[in-house]
Amino acid sequence: GQSLEQPSEVTAVEGAIVQINCTYQTSGFYGLSWYQQHDGGAPTFLSYNALDGLEETGRFSSFLSRSDSYGYLLLQELQMKDSASYFCAVRDQGAGSYQLTFGKGTKLSVIP
Amino acid sequence: ETGVTQSPTHLIKTRGQQVTLRCSSQSGHNTVSWYQQALGQGPQFIFQYYREEENGRGNFPPRFSGLQFPNYSSELNVNALELDDSALYLCASSLAKGGGTEAFFGQGTRLTVV
Repeated sequence: GQSLEQPSEVTAVEGAIVQINCTYQTSGFYGLSWYQQHDGGAPTFLSYNALDGLEETGRFSSFLSRSDSYGYLLLQELQMKDSASYFCAVRDQGAGSYQLTFGKGTKLSVIP
Repeated sequence: ETGVTQSPTHLIKTRGQQVTLRCSSQSGHNTVSWYQQALGQGPQFIFQYYREEENGRGNFPPRFSGLQFPNYSSELNVNALELDDSALYLCASSLAKGGGTEAFFGQGTRLTVV
């Protein structure tokens, strides 16, 4: 079966850098995605890594190591609005289709 | 804000009843996936529809069923509601099976079963 592990909570100071790690176990791995979800809101796409290495999009970067079944999301220059839950999700093939399997999420609290 | 809309936003049902949730996908997207998100958990894949056919299913019982229409909108039906069905139900649309590289989520329907 598929499983993902990520820290349940992280607290960081405004302006700082924070890294949220994700390890996964899955068959038929196609890529690792990251989603942000504010309380009461919809998950919104942040990034996708299919190949090893670092992808940078503004203040957010995401890294993947397929050999280690590991990835991370790096948030720089933290802002108060970054307080949210962050989910890693693997795109894999299960039950005959490609699907997203999500981790339980990391609740990020940004403090002044 | 994505172009995915879900209705209703909130719903209260009694155990044993049936419920239908609706989703309008983003324009041009032919794939719709449904997820259940319990409080404090990540979304769990229920099933996916591609061009009006079920294209994969997660670990949910048959009382969870769905439809996709020619305009790619979709419905999620749940029969014989149980208390544990209380959750946020999310619809996600994408251009390719399995969400491609990006899935666009709606705001969800908060279902409470009492």
